[in-house]
Amino acid sequence: GIQVEQSPPDLILQEGANSTLRCNFSDSVNNLQWFHQNPWGQLINLFYIPSGTKQNGRLSATTVATERYSLLYISSSQTTDSGVYFCAAPPVSGTYKYIFGTGTRLKVLA
Amino acid sequence: NAGVMQNPRHLVRRRGQEARLRCSPMKGHSHVYWYRQLPEEGLKFMVYLQKENIIDESGMPKERFSAEFPKEGPSILRIQQVVRGDSAAYFCASSPFGTANQPQHFGDGTRLSIL
Repeated sequence: GIQVEQSPPDLILQEGANSTLRCNFSDSVNNLQWFHQNPWGQLINLFYIPSGTKQNGRLSATTVATERYSLLYISSSQTTDSGVYFCAAPPVSGTYKYIFGTGTRLKVLA
Repeated sequence: NAGVMQNPRHLVRRRGQEARLRCSPMKGHSHVYWYRQLPEEGLKFMVYLQKENIIDESGMPKERFSAEFPKEGPSILRIQQVVRGDSAAYFCASSPFGTANQPQHFGDGTRLSIL
């Protein structure tokens, strides 16, 4: 089945720094979502981005479906950005079954 | 808030008891998906339901686990005779249609702890 790999697995930033998180997938996908799981365990949808680029405040995401990767950019990071970032995608053959990556654990220091 | 509602947020059970987790999808959504997140891991698909139908339960353990989505009321994930290994966060998601060309909207999850 499809493999979804995220890098880096762990990231520590100083407040105000920028970062790029990467999501690689081994097979063609119909869509892709980025999530932030906050320290309380809530899963917050950041982007639905099957292709192209989207921006929402300090966050932006780019998916290049033909090359099977997606990037999440966090600019001017804040302590509230801490948590785990997941990408998830359903393979073309599996339609609705989201396959989640193992996540990037981000800690932003004040 | 018209989002996906899950309850309870936290559930504690002793080994051998039953756990019932509820999920009310977003308004207008008739497709529900359950995922399980073990500690320090990503979410894994368990089951996909439409109203009154189980479409795909390939990710569900064969024993002790069952799911339903009745015509009226929330979707229920039921775990019988719970064991310590069932301790996890259980997330429900919903979508208006059962295709991949749309986002799935996730609830806040139910954290199940087994004593």
